[in-house]
Parts: sequence; structure tokens; C-alpha cells
Amino acid sequence: QVQLVQSGGGVVPPGKSLRLSCSASGFTFSAYDLHWVRWAPGKGLEWVALDSFEASVKYYADSVKGRFTISRDNSQNRLALQMDSLRPEDTAFYYCARKDRRYNGYDYWGQGTLVTVSS
Amino acid sequence: DIVMTQSPLSLPVTPGEPASISCRSSQSLLYSNGYTYLDWYLLKPGQSPQLLISLTSHRASGVPDRFSGSGSGTDFTLRISRVEAEDVGIYYCMQALQIPWTFGQGTKVEI
Repeated sequence: QVQLVQSGGGVVPPGKSLRLSCSASGFTFSAYDLHWVRWAPGKGLEWVALDSFEASVKYYADSVKGRFTISRDNSQNRLALQMDSLRPEDTAFYYCARKDRRYNGYDYWGQGTLVTVSS
Repeated sequence: DIVMTQSPLSLPVTPGEPASISCRSSQSLLYSNGYTYLDWYLLKPGQSPQLLISLTSHRASGVPDRFSGSGSGTDFTLRISRVEAEDVGIYYCMQALQIPWTFGQGTKVEI
């Protein structure tokens, strides 16, 4: 069955870096768009980044552009989010998610990982 | 960016009774292919978000048929025909027409 298993996360001071990973199984990883979405209690859900399987195009929310980098390794079925120059407002639960190719919704999600940016 | 506005933001519900949540987008979510790119998600405490409805009215696999989505253009509705205790959580609409994908503020549903 389809699974997305996340690792990484934790507590870091402002300005530091963190890397999140999302290991996929149960589907053809290279044939799907993969996203990162975050949720901060009281602030709601926010789309963060997209790695499109077509033409290796990547997109970012303005709030993270230039600081976060999304990447994938199709040989390892792994998605990553490199987060640099972290800010307190980046504190949130981060989820990797797969976009359904037929009906377009985020049909599978990782279990989520908490990133806390605090001194 | 497309702004998504949900109402109400808090919804007390009674088990067995119907409930509905509205979502409005700042521009039409209709694409040239005829599909309208509006999704609904439910975030339950301690869980990952789950897809309920995509493309305005397509119920996701495994979602009970008491959930339904409707709407067009800029106005959308999620309906629960008979609320069950397990339906509590925060409901979000999301537009998937244009980058950046954007979510509504969320509607907290409580018994």
C-alpha cells in the first residue's frame, strides 16, 4: 500500500538549518507530483513547495522562497526539504503529500514532523 | 494569490443532524478543461490531514457518503448529511487552480 514516512524535524535556533525527509513506497514515485504542506496551530494549513515529476519543475511559497529547497531522489524514492535561515514563523508541523494524478487532491500524506524554531 | 474565505469559522454540531461549511474564492476556480479545482480536507487532532473531496464534488476513496461537495465558479459548499462524533476537527477548503495553492482559514467543527 502507499506509504509516506517522514523523518527529521526538531528544535533549532533562528537562522539555523534543518532537513526533512519523506520516504515513499507502494507507488511509482517518479510519476507523481510531491508537495510539502505545513500546519501551525492557530495559523492553518499552508502550501510550502512542489516538486513536479514533469520537467523537474519546482515551485515555492513566497514565504520560503530563497530559503527552502525541495528535491527528490527517484532512485531512492525519497523527497527532501532543506530548510535554511529558519525563522520563528516557520514553526509548524510539516507534511509531505502526494498529488493524485486523476482527481488532483492530496490523496496520501506523511505522518507529519514538528519543526520548532526557537532560541 | 487566490484568497479563500470560509464560513463559519466555528461550527457546533449535533450528532445525527446535518451540517454545512461554505468556501468562497477570490476568483473563479474553473479551468479550461471544465474541471473546477477546489478540494476539501479534514484535520483531526493528532492526525495528518485527509482528503475528503477533490475537483469540487469528487468524494475521495474511503470517505463516507454522508460527505458531499458542491459549487461552481467562486462559491462552494461541503455538506455532512448526518454528523457523527468522529467528524470533529478542522475543515479546510483549498484551491488547486493556481500556484501558490491556498487554503481557507479553517472551520472548527465541535460536538
